[in-house]
Amino acid sequence: ETGVTQTPRHLVMGMTNKKSLKCEQHLGHNAMYWYKQSAKKPLELMFVYNFKEQTENNSVPSRFSPECPNSSHLFLHLHTLQPEDSALYLCASSLIGGSGGETQYFGPGTRLLVL
Amino acid sequence: QQQVKQSPQSLIVQKGGISIINCAYENTAFDYFPWYQQFPGKGPALLIAIRPDVSEKKEGRFTISFNKSAKQFSLHIMDSQPGDSATYFCAASIGGYSTLTFGKGTMLLVSP
Repeated sequence: ETGVTQTPRHLVMGMTNKKSLKCEQHLGHNAMYWYKQSAKKPLELMFVYNFKEQTENNSVPSRFSPECPNSSHLFLHLHTLQPEDSALYLCASSLIGGSGGETQYFGPGTRLLVL
Repeated sequence: QQQVKQSPQSLIVQKGGISIINCAYENTAFDYFPWYQQFPGKGPALLIAIRPDVSEKKEGRFTISFNKSAKQFSLHIMDSQPGDSATYFCAASIGGYSTLTFGKGTMLLVSP
């Protein structure tokens, strides 16, 4: 597989459930990102990882917990979510330090519904 | 300071027409301005990008116009086609660091 993949593509969970979103990039990039996309809102950057180290956390509630075990994989662990957390969660990657490093490549997203 | 304002929210253009989407920013430190295109069920994909050292960049039917003094940039789609129907996002970042600030998006519909 090529590019940025995300699993699952769709997820329905109750407010007391614990689930995880997975992202994998096959592009040799060294930075990975989680975004939240809600209707009629700008893409919201949640977390940034450079070389597996978290470099940005945009005041995201602690019920979202990211994990980056290596530069190719990124997880978003979810627990005790609220209905307003329902959204499309997008993963992206980029090559920092390379030419065109600002270009972020996005996965197809996980459509999350919290009941 | 970090906000990027995008307009219009939605746009309907006839096939063969010109689609124009505008963005404005406040932070003068921004020096990289990409446009992303997103189809339903897909993640955004880079369409075209510009840096402030040029006022215009063209790739095929897509052109970015950049006005540094007005802190505005726009996307022009010439000879718009139904296949161009998608949501378009402008974004901005500060060079050397890839965190992008996105506009709210414009839903473009090109009618046959």
